Amino acid sequence: GENVEQHPSTLSVQEGDSAVIKCTYSDSASNYFPWYKQELGKRPQLIIDIRSNVGEKKDQRIAVTLNKTAKHFSLHITETQPEDSAVYFCAASPDNYGQNFVFGPGTRLSVLP
Amino acid sequence: SAVISQKPSRDICQRGTSLTIQCQVDSQVTMMFWYRQQPGQSLTLIATANQGSEATYESGFVIDKFPISRPNLTFSTLTVSNMSPEDSSIYLCSGDSYNEQFFGPGTRLTVL
Repeated sequence: GENVEQHPSTLSVQEGDSAVIKCTYSDSASNYFPWYKQELGKRPQLIIDIRSNVGEKKDQRIAVTLNKTAKHFSLHITETQPEDSAVYFCAASPDNYGQNFVFGPGTRLSVLP
Repeated sequence: SAVISQKPSRDICQRGTSLTIQCQVDSQVTMMFWYRQQPGQSLTLIATANQGSEATYESGFVIDKFPISRPNLTFSTLTVSNMSPEDSSIYLCSGDSYNEQFFGPGTRLTVL
């Protein structure tokens, strides 16, 4: 089955700097890769996703890149703000509806003022 | 986006008892899922709730322990049966809407 690894497990950056979180997956059949942000005590919120027919996607300060050959994808946050502090989870799925949705272990991002 | 609610938001239960968690979506969704999240950990898929048929369970989860119902396209329940302290966790439901998966707020379960 699918296995998703995520690095780093914790990340501290100064406000205004960039943050990068990387994930690798094992199942070449996976073709949908969402990223979720979870603040303490809250539900996971979808922040961006990418499908395997796209190499990069951007939404304001957030971007995701995908390398299907190498089976890895990354989340990039630019101009970080204190409200970006949260746990970020990547996930991989073999189809758009999330069957066998496998999450990475998470990255705790702290943005220091 | 779909709005998902869960009841109860939290509960403290005695060992050996059962708890049923309800999940309500404000619009019809094709797929609904149940996850478990241990404190400080990632999300683990328990099962896919299928409307009109038996749920599809992931490895390590069985119907006798986690019976699931899905009577229509907007509602599902998860029962945690014969609970033990190891079942203490946050249980989240989710549903897909326009090819995106949205989560409920979670149910925090503590088993004494």
